[in-house]
Amino acid sequence: ETGVTQSPTHLIKTRGQQVTLRCSSQSGHNTVSWYQQALGQGPQFIFQYYREEENGRGNFPPRFSGLQFPNYSSELNVNALELDDSALYLCASSRGRDGYTFGSGTRLTVV
Amino acid sequence: TQLLEQSPQFLSIQEGENLTVYCNSSSVFSSLQWYRQEPGEGPVLLVTVVTGGEVKKLKRLTFQFGDARKDSSLHITAAQPGDTGLYLCAGRGDSNYQLIWGAGTKLIIKP
Repeated sequence: ETGVTQSPTHLIKTRGQQVTLRCSSQSGHNTVSWYQQALGQGPQFIFQYYREEENGRGNFPPRFSGLQFPNYSSELNVNALELDDSALYLCASSRGRDGYTFGSGTRLTVV
Repeated sequence: TQLLEQSPQFLSIQEGENLTVYCNSSSVFSSLQWYRQEPGEGPVLLVTVVTGGEVKKLKRLTFQFGDARKDSSLHITAAQPGDTGLYLCAGRGDSNYQLIWGAGTKLIIKP
């Protein structure tokens, strides 16, 4: 049973650029959630996808968007990057109301 | 808006001591999860509590869900340096799949 894999592990982008982060969910999991975590803080919910449809969204602007594919993998896209977007981005997969399995995250630095 | 407050935010104790971390809310949660996160990694699920008053033990860790399902505690007996990490609680509401996260308790166990 494979866990959740995120890529890339680290990324440096310039303010105003666009970025795509990728996530492969754990085998058998059909729900993927994305979180933003600032240093020393708890994760902040960005959005969740279930069977390729967004079914929940946190307090993030529209420039944060996502996709889920038929194999339940997912992408997080962020347009017009701002300095405050620098954070650890976590992907978590789950099935039903079971506990979440998290990836190791992508550390995004915006300069 | 559902909120979870964790306390203390930071705790540094000597190896062998006992400690308790609290997770409180004015809202009712259908279940509550505890995670542990190490630097540069995603959170790892420790336990899920579902029933009011439920107590679960994981070696030296004891988790309790409040009778009204509004609060939870994590008690560690004879803390070890390997227990060091960020402990996060996350509650699941009745109406959606979104997890509501506490800000975390940063725990340091000194040898």
